[in-house]
This record gives sequence, structure tokens and C-alpha cells, in this order.
Amino acid sequence: DADVTQTPRNRITKTGKRIMLECSQTKGHDRMYWYRQDPGLGLRLIYYSFDVKDINKGEISDGYSVSRQAQAKFSLSLESAIPNQTALYFCATSDTTGLPDTQYFGPGTRLTVL
Amino acid sequence: AQKVTQAQTEISVVEKEDVTLDCVYETRDTTYYLFWYKQPPSGELVFLIRRNSFDEQNEISGRYSWNFQKSTSSFNFTITASQVVDSAVYFCALRDTGRRALTFGSGTRLQVQP
Repeated sequence: DADVTQTPRNRITKTGKRIMLECSQTKGHDRMYWYRQDPGLGLRLIYYSFDVKDINKGEISDGYSVSRQAQAKFSLSLESAIPNQTALYFCATSDTTGLPDTQYFGPGTRLTVL
Repeated sequence: AQKVTQAQTEISVVEKEDVTLDCVYETRDTTYYLFWYKQPPSGELVFLIRRNSFDEQNEISGRYSWNFQKSTSSFNFTITASQVVDSAVYFCALRDTGRRALTFGSGTRLQVQP
């Protein structure tokens, strides 16, 4: 089974709708991240969380919110989706042991906002 | 501010050719980490290597090798005897002490033709 899972894998929604993307991990890592990928721009950080009570904005947090329900779960919400939020969204985890700061990514969620 | 530049947007080679993917980074920190990730057509992000700023020793893993040169702020990736399965987008990323997540380059798409 995959260590980092994301649901849904694909989602098509309409402008103005609220949508939640979920991420779960079985790696036992404390740190979790949300990125979005747009063609030609690489990955950009939306939010990150170093533990359940530590949540921080990334470089493109406007229009998004997150919830860290447990060490293993980190959800990303779009309160009112707009077309320029159409992108591939990745969740990632990392730990302070082993290879610290090495991030391991989920399979991605492809979101289309019409 | 930190920045990662992958100037090669797309590279096309014929199978068995050697290919080098360039990565140039900017950071004010003396302690930082550099990474390479592979994104095959299936879309997931696969961790390839991590290098810290104190270790300039080049690394070889099978057909993959990495050349880290602090003097030129570069961390280049070479694939020897390329194969069709190497076709993917490759991302270079930086993590320094001032930023708690990764800064990605825009990626290089490698096409290996049979």
C-alpha cells in the first residue's frame, strides 16, 4: 500500500463550489505539505504543517485553507473554487529522522474548475 | 531569497545517449539541501537524491550521477546510456534554513527516443 495517499485522484467542479482534498500518510512523519503544480512553473507551496498545532502559509495560500486533523491527515480546502485553481495538487510528508527534510509525495490530485 | 533555475525546458535524446540536466540555485545560507525528483508520465513524484551543502562529493547510482559544485552553485544530473524509461520531467529543488519547505525549479522534460 502507498505510504502517502490522496483522495480524490481526479475532480471536476464548478466555479464557486467548496471542495476538499484529503491526504493521509502511514509513514509516521510529523511534517506535511500541500503543493500545486502548474505547467512550466514547477511546484509551489500552499501550506505546511510541522505538527498538529503548527500550520503555516506558503507562498500561494490565498483562496485555500487547511486542517490537520491528526498526525496522519492533512486536508486542503478551496472555499470557493475558481478556474485558475485548476492544477495538479500534491501532498508531501517529511520527518526529522532518517533523511530529514526529504519530502515524499503522494500520487497527486488533478483538479479542474469549470 | 532562494531560487532554483532549470534552464533546459525540454531535451530529446536517442536511447543510449548520455544526457545532463542542469540545475543552478541561489541561496544566502551556508547550510542547505539540494534534491532531484523524477515525475514520470504517470504523474507521481519520485525522490532520487538529497545532497547537503557540506558534502561536495559527487555521487553515482547505477546510470545516474550527480555533480555538485558550490563554486558555480550548480547541482547537475547526468544519465548515462539513457533508456526510454528515463523519459520524465525532472525537478531540482532547494531547502535552506530560511525556508521550511522546498523551492522547486520549473523542471526539465526529458524525452528518450527508441
